[in-house]
Parts: sequence; structure tokens; C-alpha cells
Amino acid sequence: GAVVSQHPSWVICKSGTSVKIECRSLDFQATTMFWYRQFPKQSLMLMATSNEGSKATYEQGVEKDKFLINHASLTLSTLTVTSAHPEDSSFYICSAAGQGADTQYFGPGTRLTVL
Amino acid sequence: GQQVMQIPQYQHVQEGEDFTTYCNSSTTLSNIQWYKQRPGGHPVFLIQLVKSGEVKKQKRLTFQFGEAKKNSSLHITATQTTDVGTYFCAGPGGTNAGKSTFGDGTTLTVKP
Repeated sequence: GAVVSQHPSWVICKSGTSVKIECRSLDFQATTMFWYRQFPKQSLMLMATSNEGSKATYEQGVEKDKFLINHASLTLSTLTVTSAHPEDSSFYICSAAGQGADTQYFGPGTRLTVL
Repeated sequence: GQQVMQIPQYQHVQEGEDFTTYCNSSTTLSNIQWYKQRPGGHPVFLIQLVKSGEVKKQKRLTFQFGEAKKNSSLHITATQTTDVGTYFCAGPGGTNAGKSTFGDGTTLTVKP
């Protein structure tokens, strides 16, 4: 199957700092990338959908100014958690889908801990 | 938006026993996908069902899509310790290709 990478795999930061997470599709062109957040023992909650070259579409309740998403190319999307707080600590997972594809491929996730 | 409900939330079985998780939607689904997430890992795509009444098998795993395309099930025969993890179903979440709405998942533990 298609391969999606995420970097970093884990990060610990101080409250108030910003953290950037990268999501890359390694062997296919991802016209659409999705960002999810998963709290312990919970399901994946979709945060936003990003299409290459256009603004991301955020789900209800997700602050677009706090979670900045950039999908600058067909292989890279970034999520920046601005002014992170302890409640932002979570497992952030991206997924990517090719044009017209129903199947999405998940990255390995980034575990963010905000102190 | 569309929601999919999944039961049970947890299932503990003895190795060798069978396991089933169920996914239900109040609306007709164009397709349903199943994922497995190992502890500490990320979701891994297992299968997609599209046709009404469809049944697909992957070794000891049997996936079914209901006739009305509102429910689905995943059945594992003779569980092994390698089957542990959380199994999620996901239905289409919108018009964007690939967008999905995930069920709450069923976490399977297998006692050797």
C-alpha cells in the first residue's frame, strides 16, 4: 500500500510555544490530506481537510487560527499547533488520499506533549 | 454529519475464541471501511466494502456489509494474540474524497 510519513514522531514542548508537524506521501500524489486528533482510548476525530493549493476546511469546534494547516504540494502538508497548551497534548495523525480515491492512508502519528 | 456507532467498546477473549464487532449507521452508507490500530500505533486500512450484502474474507477475518448498507460487521475466527488492538469502522464523512467518520472502535484483548 501507499506510504505516508510523519515527522516528528513525538515532541515535548513548553506551554506557549508552537509546534510544526509534517505529513508526507512518499510514493503517491496526495490531492487531499486529513488531520486527526486522537485522545487516549478514544476514536479519531477529524480536525481538518486540506486540498493541495487551497485553504483547509476545518471541522466544527476546531480553531483554524490555532491549528494552522498548509498543503503546499501534492506530497506535503503541515500542521502547526500555535501557542500550545497542555490540553493540546494528544496523538496527531495525518492521512492522505489520491485524487478521486476513497481509501486514505495513515501516517504513523505524532505524539505531542505540552508541559 | 453522518455518524457510525460501533459495539462493543471492549471485548476480552481467550485465545482461540471468536470475536465480532458491529458497526451501525442511521443512514445508508455508500461504503464502509475497517481499520486496525495496534496499541501505540496508527490505524491501518484493512478493507473497504461497497456492495449491498457484500462479504469479504481475509484469512481469519470476515467482513460483512448489510443488505440495507446501514450496518457492517467484522468477525475474527479463532483469535490469536496478534489480533489485539482497536478495530474501527469508518463511513464516508462528506463530499471530499476519502473523508471518513470513524466509529468509536472496539478494543480487543486476547488472553493467551
